[in-house]
Amino acid sequence: EAQVTQNPRYLITVTGKKLTVTCSQNMNHEYMSWYRQDPGLGLRQIYYSMNVEVTDKGDVPEGYKVSRKEKRNFPLILESPSPNQTSLYFCASSFGARGGETQYFGPGTRLLVL
Amino acid sequence: AQSVSQHNHHVILSEAASLELGCNYSYGGTVNLFWYVQYPGQHLQLLLKYFSGDPLVKGIKGFEAEFIKSKFSFNLRKPSVQWSDTAEYFCAVNPFSNDYKLSFGAGTTVTVRA
Repeated sequence: EAQVTQNPRYLITVTGKKLTVTCSQNMNHEYMSWYRQDPGLGLRQIYYSMNVEVTDKGDVPEGYKVSRKEKRNFPLILESPSPNQTSLYFCASSFGARGGETQYFGPGTRLLVL
Repeated sequence: AQSVSQHNHHVILSEAASLELGCNYSYGGTVNLFWYVQYPGQHLQLLLKYFSGDPLVKGIKGFEAEFIKSKFSFNLRKPSVQWSDTAEYFCAVNPFSNDYKLSFGAGTTVTVRA
Protein backbone atom coordinates (compact mmCIF):
# COMPACT_ATOMS: atom_id res chain seq x y z
CA GLU A 1 0.00 0.00 0.00
CA ALA A 2 1.33 3.42 -0.99
CA GLN A 3 1.75 5.47 2.13
CA VAL A 4 3.67 7.95 4.24
CA THR A 5 4.43 6.73 7.73
CA GLN A 6 5.49 8.70 10.76
CA ASN A 7 6.83 7.55 14.09
CA PRO A 8 6.06 8.04 16.84
CA ARG A 9 2.43 9.07 16.56
CA TYR A 10 2.38 10.58 20.03
CA LEU A 11 5.28 11.88 22.07
CA ILE A 12 5.62 13.60 25.42
CA THR A 13 9.05 14.94 26.25
CA VAL A 14 10.77 17.54 28.39
CA THR A 15 12.49 20.76 27.42
CA GLY A 16 15.97 20.23 26.03
CA LYS A 17 15.79 16.50 25.40
CA LYS A 18 16.73 15.83 21.80
CA LEU A 19 14.20 13.91 19.76
CA THR A 20 13.70 12.66 16.22
CA VAL A 21 10.45 12.09 14.40
CA THR A 22 10.85 9.71 11.51
CA CYS A 23 9.08 9.94 8.17
CA SER A 24 9.19 7.34 5.46
CA GLN A 25 7.43 7.00 2.09
CA ASN A 26 7.26 3.97 -0.17
CA MET A 27 6.22 5.75 -3.38
CA ASN A 28 9.69 6.73 -4.64
CA HIS A 29 8.73 10.38 -4.30
CA GLU A 30 11.36 13.05 -4.86
CA TYR A 31 9.81 15.82 -2.76
CA MET A 32 9.25 15.58 0.97
CA SER A 33 8.19 18.19 3.45
CA TRP A 34 7.45 18.76 7.12
CA TYR A 35 4.61 20.90 8.45
CA ARG A 36 3.35 21.84 11.85
CA GLN A 37 -0.34 22.43 12.49
CA ASP A 38 -1.43 24.82 15.22
CA PRO A 39 -4.96 26.04 16.02
CA GLY A 40 -5.81 29.17 14.08
CA LEU A 41 -2.57 29.02 12.09
CA GLY A 42 -3.19 26.07 9.81
CA LEU A 43 -0.23 24.18 8.43
CA ARG A 44 3.10 25.93 8.28
CA GLN A 45 5.99 24.50 6.35
CA ILE A 46 9.10 23.77 8.41
CA TYR A 47 11.53 22.27 5.90
CA TYR A 48 11.31 20.63 2.53
CA SER A 49 13.56 18.47 0.43
CA MET A 50 13.68 18.37 -3.35
CA ASN A 51 15.81 15.22 -3.48
CA VAL A 52 18.49 13.29 -1.65
CA GLU A 53 20.92 15.64 0.12
CA VAL A 54 18.92 18.71 -1.01
CA THR A 55 16.90 20.50 1.66
CA ASP A 56 15.68 24.03 2.26
CA LYS A 57 13.92 26.07 4.92
CA GLY A 58 10.20 26.64 4.92
CA ASP A 59 8.38 29.33 6.85
CA VAL A 60 9.17 28.20 10.40
CA PRO A 61 12.53 26.38 10.45
CA GLU A 62 13.87 27.72 13.76
CA GLY A 63 14.59 24.98 16.27
CA TYR A 64 14.37 22.17 13.72
CA LYS A 65 16.80 20.21 11.58
CA VAL A 66 16.24 17.70 8.82
CA SER A 67 18.30 15.35 6.73
CA ARG A 68 17.68 13.47 3.51
CA LYS A 69 20.28 10.75 3.19
CA GLU A 70 17.93 8.33 1.44
CA LYS A 71 15.08 9.07 -0.91
CA ARG A 72 12.46 7.36 1.23
CA ASN A 73 13.33 8.90 4.62
CA PHE A 74 13.10 12.46 5.88
CA PRO A 75 13.52 12.67 9.65
CA LEU A 76 12.71 15.80 11.64
CA ILE A 77 15.13 16.53 14.46
CA LEU A 78 14.51 18.76 17.45
CA GLU A 79 17.92 19.26 19.03
CA SER A 80 16.63 21.08 22.11
CA PRO A 81 12.84 21.06 22.17
CA SER A 82 10.97 23.90 23.84
CA PRO A 83 7.30 24.19 24.87
CA ASN A 84 6.52 26.39 21.85
CA GLN A 85 7.26 23.38 19.68
CA THR A 86 4.27 21.56 21.13
CA SER A 87 2.24 20.91 18.01
CA LEU A 88 0.86 18.41 15.53
CA TYR A 89 3.45 17.55 12.89
CA PHE A 90 2.80 16.23 9.41
CA CYS A 91 5.19 14.79 6.91
CA ALA A 92 4.23 14.82 3.24
CA SER A 93 5.69 13.65 -0.04
CA SER A 94 5.01 14.14 -3.72
CA PHE A 95 6.13 12.62 -6.98
CA GLY A 96 7.66 15.69 -8.54
CA ALA A 97 10.35 17.86 -7.02
CA ARG A 98 7.95 20.78 -6.82
CA GLY A 99 5.55 22.03 -4.17
CA GLY A 100 2.87 22.22 -6.83
CA GLU A 101 2.48 18.46 -7.04
CA THR A 102 -0.21 16.69 -5.05
CA GLN A 103 1.06 16.09 -1.54
CA TYR A 104 0.50 12.77 0.22
CA PHE A 105 0.38 13.21 3.96
CA GLY A 106 1.35 11.02 6.85
CA PRO A 107 -0.97 10.43 9.82
CA GLY A 108 0.63 13.10 12.00
CA THR A 109 2.73 13.13 15.17
CA ARG A 110 1.35 14.89 18.20
CA LEU A 111 4.19 16.31 20.29
CA LEU A 112 3.94 17.75 23.79
CA VAL A 113 7.02 19.45 25.23
CA LEU A 114 6.85 20.05 28.97
CA ALA B 1 4.16 39.01 4.11
CA GLN B 2 2.70 36.82 1.46
CA SER B 3 -0.11 34.71 2.82
CA VAL B 4 -3.19 32.60 2.33
CA SER B 5 -6.38 33.73 4.05
CA GLN B 6 -9.43 31.64 4.78
CA HIS B 7 -12.28 33.81 5.86
CA ASN B 8 -14.29 31.41 7.97
CA HIS B 9 -12.90 29.66 10.99
CA HIS B 10 -15.91 27.47 11.71
CA VAL B 11 -18.99 26.89 9.61
CA ILE B 12 -22.04 24.98 10.84
CA LEU B 13 -24.62 23.80 8.32
CA SER B 14 -27.56 21.48 8.04
CA GLU B 15 -27.57 18.64 5.55
CA ALA B 16 -28.57 19.68 2.03
CA ALA B 17 -27.46 23.26 2.60
CA SER B 18 -25.02 24.83 0.18
CA LEU B 19 -21.44 25.45 1.23
CA GLU B 20 -18.99 28.10 0.13
CA LEU B 21 -15.59 28.57 1.75
CA GLY B 22 -13.50 31.59 0.89
CA CYS B 23 -9.77 31.59 0.15
CA ASN B 24 -7.65 34.56 -0.84
CA TYR B 25 -3.93 34.75 -1.38
CA SER B 26 -1.48 37.58 -1.67
CA TYR B 27 1.16 36.09 -3.98
CA GLY B 28 1.72 37.93 -7.23
CA GLY B 29 2.21 36.13 -10.49
CA THR B 30 1.24 32.63 -11.45
CA VAL B 31 0.19 30.18 -8.76
CA ASN B 32 -0.99 26.61 -8.38
CA LEU B 33 -3.99 26.32 -6.06
CA PHE B 34 -5.26 23.48 -3.92
CA TRP B 35 -7.94 22.53 -1.47
CA TYR B 36 -7.08 19.77 0.99
CA VAL B 37 -9.48 18.13 3.41
CA GLN B 38 -8.95 16.39 6.72
CA TYR B 39 -11.81 14.15 7.80
CA PRO B 40 -11.95 13.25 11.49
CA GLY B 41 -9.27 10.68 12.26
CA GLN B 42 -7.95 10.59 8.71
CA HIS B 43 -4.96 11.91 6.81
CA LEU B 44 -5.04 15.17 4.92
CA GLN B 45 -6.01 14.44 1.34
CA LEU B 46 -6.38 16.40 -1.86
CA LEU B 47 -9.89 17.61 -2.68
CA LEU B 48 -9.08 19.45 -5.90
CA LYS B 49 -6.42 21.54 -7.58
CA TYR B 50 -6.02 24.24 -10.20
CA PHE B 51 -2.93 24.56 -12.37
CA SER B 52 -4.20 26.26 -15.53
CA GLY B 53 -7.07 26.31 -18.01
CA ASP B 54 -10.73 26.35 -17.01
CA PRO B 55 -10.94 28.39 -13.80
CA LEU B 56 -13.81 26.23 -12.54
CA VAL B 57 -12.36 22.96 -11.32
CA LYS B 58 -14.18 19.93 -10.05
CA GLY B 59 -12.91 17.65 -7.35
CA ILE B 60 -13.95 14.60 -5.46
CA LYS B 61 -17.26 14.17 -3.62
CA GLY B 62 -19.10 16.86 -5.56
CA PHE B 63 -16.84 19.77 -4.61
CA GLU B 64 -15.80 22.47 -7.03
CA ALA B 65 -13.72 25.62 -6.80
CA GLU B 66 -13.47 28.75 -8.89
CA PHE B 67 -10.25 30.63 -9.50
CA ILE B 68 -10.81 34.36 -9.96
CA LYS B 69 -7.43 35.82 -10.84
CA SER B 70 -8.49 39.45 -10.49
CA LYS B 71 -9.64 38.82 -6.95
CA PHE B 72 -6.76 36.50 -5.97
CA SER B 73 -9.41 34.05 -4.82
CA PHE B 74 -10.05 30.33 -5.00
CA ASN B 75 -13.37 29.66 -3.29
CA LEU B 76 -14.63 26.17 -2.61
CA ARG B 77 -18.27 25.24 -3.14
CA LYS B 78 -20.64 22.34 -2.78
CA PRO B 79 -24.32 22.74 -3.67
CA SER B 80 -25.68 20.25 -1.13
CA VAL B 81 -23.61 19.03 1.81
CA GLN B 82 -23.90 15.73 3.60
CA TRP B 83 -23.12 14.78 7.18
CA SER B 84 -19.99 13.04 5.87
CA ASP B 85 -18.60 16.39 4.69
CA THR B 86 -17.85 17.28 8.29
CA ALA B 87 -14.11 17.97 8.18
CA GLU B 88 -11.44 20.63 8.23
CA TYR B 89 -10.72 22.26 4.89
CA PHE B 90 -7.43 23.89 3.94
CA CYS B 91 -6.64 26.13 1.02
CA ALA B 92 -3.03 25.98 -0.22
CA VAL B 93 -1.00 27.99 -2.70
CA ASN B 94 2.18 27.12 -4.59
CA PRO B 95 3.67 30.25 -6.16
CA PHE B 96 5.70 29.93 -9.33
CA SER B 97 8.08 32.49 -7.85
CA ASN B 98 9.15 29.84 -5.32
CA ASP B 99 8.28 26.58 -6.96
CA TYR B 100 9.16 24.36 -4.00
CA LYS B 101 7.01 26.17 -1.48
CA LEU B 102 3.45 25.31 -0.44
CA SER B 103 1.62 27.74 1.86
CA PHE B 104 -1.57 26.80 3.66
CA GLY B 105 -4.39 28.85 5.06
CA ALA B 106 -5.48 28.52 8.68
CA GLY B 107 -8.23 26.08 7.80
CA THR B 108 -12.02 26.08 8.11
CA THR B 109 -13.81 23.56 10.27
CA VAL B 110 -17.10 22.53 8.70
CA THR B 111 -19.71 20.84 10.84
CA VAL B 112 -22.74 19.39 9.07
CA ARG B 113 -25.72 18.62 11.25
CA ALA B 114 -27.85 15.64 10.25
